[in-house]
Amino acid sequence: DGGITQSPKYLFRKEGQNVTLSCEQNLNHDAMYWYRQDPGQGLRLIYYSQIVNDFQKGDIAEGYSVSREKKESFPLTVTSAQKNPTAFYLCASRETGYTEAFFGQGTRLTVV
Amino acid sequence: DAKTTQPTSMDCAEGRAANLPCNHSTISGNEYVYWYRQIHSQGPQYIIHGLKNNETNEMASLIITEDRKSSTLILPHATLRDTAVYYCIVRDQAGGTSYGKLTFGQGTILTVHP
Repeated sequence: DGGITQSPKYLFRKEGQNVTLSCEQNLNHDAMYWYRQDPGQGLRLIYYSQIVNDFQKGDIAEGYSVSREKKESFPLTVTSAQKNPTAFYLCASRETGYTEAFFGQGTRLTVV
Repeated sequence: DAKTTQPTSMDCAEGRAANLPCNHSTISGNEYVYWYRQIHSQGPQYIIHGLKNNETNEMASLIITEDRKSSTLILPHATLRDTAVYYCIVRDQAGGTSYGKLTFGQGTILTVHP
């Protein structure tokens, strides 16, 4: 059953700790994306990757880091430098070309 | 990518057609129009996309004006489960400085009433 999986669904962390959000896809897609969504807001692009071992900053990359060591995995680390990390985080993947993106079900991160 | 403008919110009665507009006056010739929707606390779901011809699938129809500066997503018989945020996106898949980026705006909150 192909798809994109984010884990965990809910995550709680203490302020000042780094935390890594998982995103895995078995769709053989080249491109992967991370978005942040705040209550009542649209999606804002954090980082994206078009190919293994390469990634680009999105519109709000400060305080975040990513890696793309494998095609199927694109983990996002929320660092202590991110001033307001509490948010809903969404991962997506797509084939390059004229195709739609597939999204995971999201991880809701709460920093206390 | 071209910028899009959508109304913040819209209402629709159950069983009636929902017509969601999107303005993309700066669209260029090789940019496609995509529509996604996001049901509360879930990931967005692809609905439909088109270049210049009208498109229809099992979920919706997409009407693109002849000058391509605006489009309308039509849900022909809205149900309560269609209540969601609908995003209109315009993007060039083939190149340019934004190649690979997929940027979402604020979207339209569609509320379907019984």
